[in-house]
Amino acid sequence: QVQLVQSGAEVKKPGASVKVSCKASGYMFTDYYLHWVRQAPGQGLEWMGRFNPNTGVTNYVQKFQGRVAMTGDTSITTAYMELRRLTSDDTAVYYCVRDVAARGWFDPWGQGTLVTVSS
Amino acid sequence: DIQMTQSPSSLSASVGDRVTITCRASQSISDYINWYQQKPGKAPKLLIYAASTLQSGVPSRFSGSGSGTDFTLTISSLQPEDIATYYCQHSSSTPSITFGQGTRLEIK
Repeated sequence: QVQLVQSGAEVKKPGASVKVSCKASGYMFTDYYLHWVRQAPGQGLEWMGRFNPNTGVTNYVQKFQGRVAMTGDTSITTAYMELRRLTSDDTAVYYCVRDVAARGWFDPWGQGTLVTVSS
Repeated sequence: DIQMTQSPSSLSASVGDRVTITCRASQSISDYINWYQQKPGKAPKLLIYAASTLQSGVPSRFSGSGSGTDFTLTISSLQPEDIATYYCQHSSSTPSITFGQGTRLEIK
């Protein structure tokens, strides 16, 4: 079945970087956009951007421009999201999600990766 | 940017009740709206896409309607396992995507 499996929880200090991985299986990796969505503790969902595994083209939300990089390795069907210059506001669960029909509906979701930023 | 205003922010209902959650877009988005269910400690799950299409495997008591700026998610007969937070999401100007603030649904 279609599945996205993410890397484990991370604890980082302010100013550091984090790189979260998302292993895709059960479908053709290059046929679907992968998006990243985050959720701060007790808060709603925030879209961060998307990555095209076929072309490598990315689109980022303005607020993350210059601080985020979404990449992928087609040989191991894995996508990555790196976020730099972390602050406590970046403490959140980060999800990778597959864009079903390039129309922005997301299925499935990865299980989520908790990133905690604390000194 | 298109804003999505979801209401109510929380809702308490009894088992068997008909429950309606609404989402209003700041401008017309045709049918580019999707609905998700998130249970505590879990990733969200797609319920409805393109305003009214039920995702495979989702119980038929869930339905979506609307077009343009006003949309609704309806649960025809609330079940205990429906306790969750529900989010609307627009995607009409992909790659720009926005979620509603969420509706927390509880059992009375």
